[in-house]
Amino acid sequence: TQLLEQSPQFLSIQEGENLTVYCNSSSVFSSLQWYRQEPGEGPVLLVTVVTGGEVKKLKRLTFQFGDARKDSSLHITAAQPGDTGLYLCAGEDTGGFKTIFGAGTRLFVKA
Amino acid sequence: GAGVSQTPSNKVTEKGKYVELRCDPISGHTALYWYRQSLGQGPEFLIYFQGTGAADDSGLPNDRFFAVRPEGSVSTLKIQRTERGDSAVYLCASSPIGSGGNEQFFGPGTRLTVL
Repeated sequence: TQLLEQSPQFLSIQEGENLTVYCNSSSVFSSLQWYRQEPGEGPVLLVTVVTGGEVKKLKRLTFQFGDARKDSSLHITAAQPGDTGLYLCAGEDTGGFKTIFGAGTRLFVKA
Repeated sequence: GAGVSQTPSNKVTEKGKYVELRCDPISGHTALYWYRQSLGQGPEFLIYFQGTGAADDSGLPNDRFFAVRPEGSVSTLKIQRTERGDSAVYLCASSPIGSGGNEQFFGPGTRLTVL
């Protein structure tokens, strides 16, 4: 079974700072997705990356898929308190239909 | 339109009891997923339905867990002889097509507590 490891597990920063969180695996994924989850709610999709080396931007968020399609990163510029939440990466297991999630990075942005 | 709904939102039961958790997916979505999320962890895949059939149930932890989707819409996750270790948030998600990196729309989850 493929695994996704996310780092750091927890991040607390001041408003206005930049940050990067990582999602790594020893296995190749056909695509990776990033979700954001707030307390008491289900995850909400932010982006899907498909092509090795792909970079996608969503306002202040920049997502990159590694060239070998084994890892991905999420960079947030000028973080705001509204960015607070659990950021999850997910990929589809090549052995079946299951979606594998990382344990997530819990981000807290202080005003 | 309405999103994915799950009922109940909270369920407290005693060890050994039977529970049913319900998921109403977005209308027209053929794919439906169940996940379990423990505190501090990401969602853990349980089962995937494509229409009425379970296309992948490899994530079900043991035979106490069972899920059905008889008409290809609403799904019920059934847990027999509950154990304290079953306590978690159970998430349901639906997708218009299914596997292949398509977006999954999640419900708010059912928080199950086994005393």
